[in-house]
Amino acid sequence: SQQGEEDPQALSIQEGENATMNCSYKTSINNLQWYRQNSGRGLVHLILIRSNEREKHSGRLRVTLDTSKKSSSLLITASRAADTASYFCAPRDSGYALNFGKGTSLLVTP
Amino acid sequence: GAGVSQTPSNKVTEKGKYVELRCDPISGHTALYWYRQSLGQGPEFLIYFQGTGAADDSGLPNDRFFAVRPEGSVSTLKIQRTERGDSAVYLCASSLGFMGQGPQYFGPGTRLTVT
Repeated sequence: SQQGEEDPQALSIQEGENATMNCSYKTSINNLQWYRQNSGRGLVHLILIRSNEREKHSGRLRVTLDTSKKSSSLLITASRAADTASYFCAPRDSGYALNFGKGTSLLVTP
Repeated sequence: GAGVSQTPSNKVTEKGKYVELRCDPISGHTALYWYRQSLGQGPEFLIYFQGTGAADDSGLPNDRFFAVRPEGSVSTLKIQRTERGDSAVYLCASSLGFMGQGPQYFGPGTRLTVT
């Protein structure tokens, strides 16, 4: 299983602004998953995008996938203080383990 | 419904002691995973069970670490002769189906501190 690399490492925005974080990976994938981790709810699955999909939405989340560039982005619209967390991407090839990078640490201030 | 549960939530032990960490997966999930997370890092894969068998234990750092899942449900991660470097949060996750390509559902973790 391969590891995703998130960018930026840290992001600070104000409530109501949009937050964009990126993920790069190295080899072909079956799908790519995004997870969020905060102290209150632990590590939580957010969204899964398959390799044949280019864009997916879930509430205020929008994920894009560009397999030619081996990259994905996660957009959170109209951020809230409760979105403060670390965000991890997990590119999935044929393996079963999730290989996380260091994540993007998002701080949303009121 | 009930999520993944882990006990204890915190464990403090002395160097050299033996510890057991327990994971109770979501009912019906055949795949179970253990991860370890150090401060400032993402979770690191340790071992994967499909049913009762350890399908992949390549992430276990050394032979002091061992995990079992005797009835295909609850799993126990066992660490012998603990070292200070073993201090971390140990996360358990479960998922549906073979090869676990879908989402994984994580427990709250056990924070292990070795003094």
